Amino acid sequence: DIQMIQSPSSLSASVGDRVSITCRASQGISNYLAWFQQKPGKAPKSLIYAASRLQSGVPSRFSGSGSGTDFTLTISSLQPEDFATYYCQQYSSYPRTFGPGTKVDIE
Amino acid sequence: EVQLVQSGAEVKKPGESLKISCKVSGYSFTDYWIAWVRQTPGKGLEWMGIIYPGDSDTRYSPSFLGQVTISADRSISTAYLQWSSLRASDTAMYYCARHLGAYDSSAFEGYWGQGTLVTVSS
Repeated sequence: DIQMIQSPSSLSASVGDRVSITCRASQGISNYLAWFQQKPGKAPKSLIYAASRLQSGVPSRFSGSGSGTDFTLTISSLQPEDFATYYCQQYSSYPRTFGPGTKVDIE
Repeated sequence: EVQLVQSGAEVKKPGESLKISCKVSGYSFTDYWIAWVRQTPGKGLEWMGIIYPGDSDTRYSPSFLGQVTISADRSISTAYLQWSSLRASDTAMYYCARHLGAYDSSAFEGYWGQGTLVTVSS
């Protein structure tokens, strides 16, 4: 199985901050990388796929980059509704695997 | 609108069997893969397996192979996840999720059900 590592595991930030979360795969996955946002009591919501493509309806303050083994999710200006946990997922091969998550909370 | 609506919460005893469901609407059920994902506080999100309702092709994570069965009923556009003998360690939230699209670049869990909480306790 491909292992996914995220960093940091948690971060505190303020509204308006620029926030970046990194995800590293244990082997190359080309650009088969998705990012999800999950709020307490809710199902995960997809934000970005193919490493950098924004899912329909997702605000443009979210962006993704990377290829191979190293990827980044960036929120350009953190909004109150962005406080949540973020997960990366590789879909290069089966079984699909998720990172352990990064919790973004209010500083 | 694509919708995946899961069956309600379940409370079961160890050793009992269970089948939870995921009814879809808003698209052709047979055209997209549907996966099942487990979430526990301790282990985060775990991808369990996936089925293509068009031909019932099914793939399992090695971690879940033999532990659960994934199936689909095309006549009622519903996917299932079942256990023959539950354990306390199966206590978790379970999500069904559909691939966003039919191409490799969109072959990930783009649409999610609301989740089914399964509690296994004596």
